[in-house]
Amino acid sequence: DTGVSQDPRHKITKRGQNVTFRCDPISEHNRLYWYRQTLGQGPEFLTYFQNEAQLEKSRLLSDRFSAERPKGSFSTLEIQRTEQGDSAMYLCASSLGNSPVSGIETQYFGPGTRLLVL
Amino acid sequence: QKEVEQDPGPLSVPEGAIVSLNCTYSNSAFQYFMWYRQYSRKGPELLMYTYSSGNKEDGRFTAQVDKSSKYISLFIRDSQPSDSATYLCAMSAVGGGNKLTFGTGTQLKVEL
Repeated sequence: DTGVSQDPRHKITKRGQNVTFRCDPISEHNRLYWYRQTLGQGPEFLTYFQNEAQLEKSRLLSDRFSAERPKGSFSTLEIQRTEQGDSAMYLCASSLGNSPVSGIETQYFGPGTRLLVL
Repeated sequence: QKEVEQDPGPLSVPEGAIVSLNCTYSNSAFQYFMWYRQYSRKGPELLMYTYSSGNKEDGRFTAQVDKSSKYISLFIRDSQPSDSATYLCAMSAVGGGNKLTFGTGTQLKVEL
């Protein structure tokens, strides 16, 4: 399977614990995005990387959240001192950037990591 | 007020019906418009995309964008039970990283 993969698929943790999620993008995709989706809502943008550079962060990304993409390939998203409000599906997407022909950027999503904070 | 508004449904239709899904938006900077389909407990998958105003057809799916009204639609013809999913509209502005702004999603059920 050459799609976006995420690990773990499910995580249950207690309030106050730290958690880390991993995303492996499609090979050669230079852009990587993190989104968060809560029940009954659409995904909300958190942050994105162009290669290893983190170029934008949403105001949703509090200082308890940190994301890295150290070698421009896989990425990790860490949440420190988790709170019950952090319970959500965390989605990763990757892309090759804008098509030189259409200008469209197609983001391919992974299956997500579902986090439950007790 | 959210930048993108979408009726969450649920929407239930009989097999073979024409389905109309809609979103409105407030940000004039949006230029790229997409529809994603999301099955339960899965990540979204891209169905259709359009740039600026106009129509685009792909098989049973037609996407329409009316920038003057800030309104986009997705039509599904001859709907099938396998079309049962949540449909998310998404938009992005020109330039820079194309972060997507999503609607809440409309839950569709196509019944036999």
